[in-house]
Amino acid sequence: GAVVSQHPSRVICKSGTSVKIECRSLDFQATTMFWYRQFPKQSLMLMATSNEGSKATYEQGVEKDKFLINHASLTLSTLTVTSAHPEDSSFYICSALAGVNEQFFGPGTRLTVL
Amino acid sequence: GESVGLHLPTLSVQEGDNSIINCAYSNSASDYFIWYKQESGKGPQFIIDIRSNMDKRQGQRVTVLLNKTVKHLSLQIAATQPGDSAVYFCAETLSGSARQLTFGSGTQLTVLP
Repeated sequence: GAVVSQHPSRVICKSGTSVKIECRSLDFQATTMFWYRQFPKQSLMLMATSNEGSKATYEQGVEKDKFLINHASLTLSTLTVTSAHPEDSSFYICSALAGVNEQFFGPGTRLTVL
Repeated sequence: GESVGLHLPTLSVQEGDNSIINCAYSNSASDYFIWYKQESGKGPQFIIDIRSNMDKRQGQRVTVLLNKTVKHLSLQIAATQPGDSAVYFCAETLSGSARQLTFGSGTQLTVLP
């Protein structure tokens, strides 16, 4: 099956710094990728849809200036959490759309903001 | 809209027994449904899917049932094994594609030895 990787798997940062998370489709090209956030013991919440070569589409309530998304190639999307605060601590998961129907998920990135 | 649980329902079963995990979905227009398994600290893994023109679909040890009348999905796992312990999410989407998924609140399955 298709493989999606994320880097880093874990990151700890100080409040006020920015953190970049990478999402890569390893063996297929993905014009569309998705970013989710998951708090402990909760479901996945879609943050934004990342489209290669164009601006991301953000879900209601997600600040686009705080969560910067760049989808510069068909195999890479990045999520930058700018000026991170403790409330941004969460598990961030990306997925990549293969064809029309299948969404393959990355292993997630655990962000802890001190 | 999005469905976010404040807590995870839990289900404990004995190894070898069958498990049934239920999910109520929110949008009557949704026409494609997927079950995912998520192990601790990992991303969701696809288990099985079903389209709205079906009411049952079987895979290896898993069966999904869809009741559109009451907007209910269930996942049945036969002969549950320790490796099945995980959180299980149902997801719904429109238009027969997995483009924008709305996830249910999830169920924590624990398999007892």
